[in-house]
Amino acid sequence: DSGVTQTPKHLITATGQRVTLRCSPRSGDLSVYWYQQSLDQGLQFLIQYYNGEERAKGNILERFSAQQFPDLHSELNLSSLELGDSALYFCASSTRTSGIGNEQFFGPGTRLTVL
Amino acid sequence: DQQVKQNSPSLSVQEGRISILNCDYTNSMFDYFLWYKKYPAEGPTFLISISSIKDKNEDGRFTVFLNKSAKHLSLHIVPSQPGDSAVYFCAASGFPYDKVIFGPGTSLSVIP
Repeated sequence: DSGVTQTPKHLITATGQRVTLRCSPRSGDLSVYWYQQSLDQGLQFLIQYYNGEERAKGNILERFSAQQFPDLHSELNLSSLELGDSALYFCASSTRTSGIGNEQFFGPGTRLTVL
Repeated sequence: DQQVKQNSPSLSVQEGRISILNCDYTNSMFDYFLWYKKYPAEGPTFLISISSIKDKNEDGRFTVFLNKSAKHLSLHIVPSQPGDSAVYFCAASGFPYDKVIFGPGTSLSVIP
């Protein structure tokens, strides 16, 4: 158990809909990262937050947004969903925002299926 | 453009033998590399890392080798055990180390 929790575990929705994925980092971790893993693909970095502020952005679509709240939990919002958005979404946390040795601890993921 | 490549999607090894997983990168700004292991229905877990100031890092049965000139690293598992069967992701990072780029993964099967 990494200490990172993600809810829900599974989500099935229809095209055009909007969903919210939630992540609670390990106790004491200030950084939260979001990744997308599509079928047979590696982990694609989406976005990072540190102590409530956006710190780095990857290949995140404009239809997607995220935020980190004062209690450090984070939410990833996906809107106008398309079939291609079906994927595993992972949240990870780490103690620092940067620096060598910044290993990330991953949650179990949320599997999103768009029908 | 894949900056971190793992050209073998899968690898099968006999229990007790050596498993060698390879990874290549293209971005010369990467100077910190990590390996993660992932079991089905779980998130990836950190396994071992190496900084570019080293060419080898060892942790128990796991050793990572880095060849900077070839932009190549490898993970050696000796001896391989059935519990090592998982997907292994190579990942790379560069200053300021807030972004980590993952490869597509190699699925390792250790046959008893």
